[in-house]
Amino acid sequence: DIQMTQSPSSLSASVGDRVTITCRASETIASYLNWYQQKPGKAPNLLIYAASKLQSGVPSRFSGGGSGTDFTLTISSLQPEDFATYYCQQSFRTRYTFGQGTKVEIK
Amino acid sequence: EVQLVESGGGLVQPGRSLRLSCVVSGFIFDDYAMDWVRQAPGKGLEWVSGISWNSGTIDYADSVKGRFTISRDNAKNSLYLQMNSLRADDTALYYCARRSFDSSGFYHHFDSWGQGILVTVSS
Repeated sequence: DIQMTQSPSSLSASVGDRVTITCRASETIASYLNWYQQKPGKAPNLLIYAASKLQSGVPSRFSGGGSGTDFTLTISSLQPEDFATYYCQQSFRTRYTFGQGTKVEIK
Repeated sequence: EVQLVESGGGLVQPGRSLRLSCVVSGFIFDDYAMDWVRQAPGKGLEWVSGISWNSGTIDYADSVKGRFTISRDNAKNSLYLQMNSLRADDTALYYCARRSFDSSGFYHHFDSWGQGILVTVSS
């Protein structure tokens, strides 16, 4: 199976900060990379698909980049509602795998 | 409005069985492949199993292969997960998720999720 590794595992940031989370795949996955946001007690919510395409209804402060094995999720100006855990997921192979998650906390 | 509602979870002893259901509404069920994803308490997301729109393609994570069976009934807008030989490490919140494709037809993702149903395996 393709292993997905996120970094950092957690970070502390302030409202207004620019935040970048990275995700690395154990083998090349082209642009088959999705990002989800999960808040406590809630189901995950799709933010970005195909590495850089913004899901309908998701604020434009979220953006995704990368291809091959290295990917990023960037929040351009962190808002109070963005404090959550973020997961990357590969869809190159249908034995889908997720990163371990990055928890974004309030500084 | 797209809705996915799981049911069938609960407390079960190791070695026993449980069947989860997911009833959907708000979209044409047989237009979509569906998946189960689980999350152990305090842990990350783990894909469990997926099924194509016509049940022609089915796959499982190695951790559940041979013990779990995914199925669907398009006439009932329902997805199922039969879980046998349950173990303590199967304890998790189980989500059903809709698998969608982008306009190119190549890139797929989970764009709708249920609220999850808790399965606890303990003696």
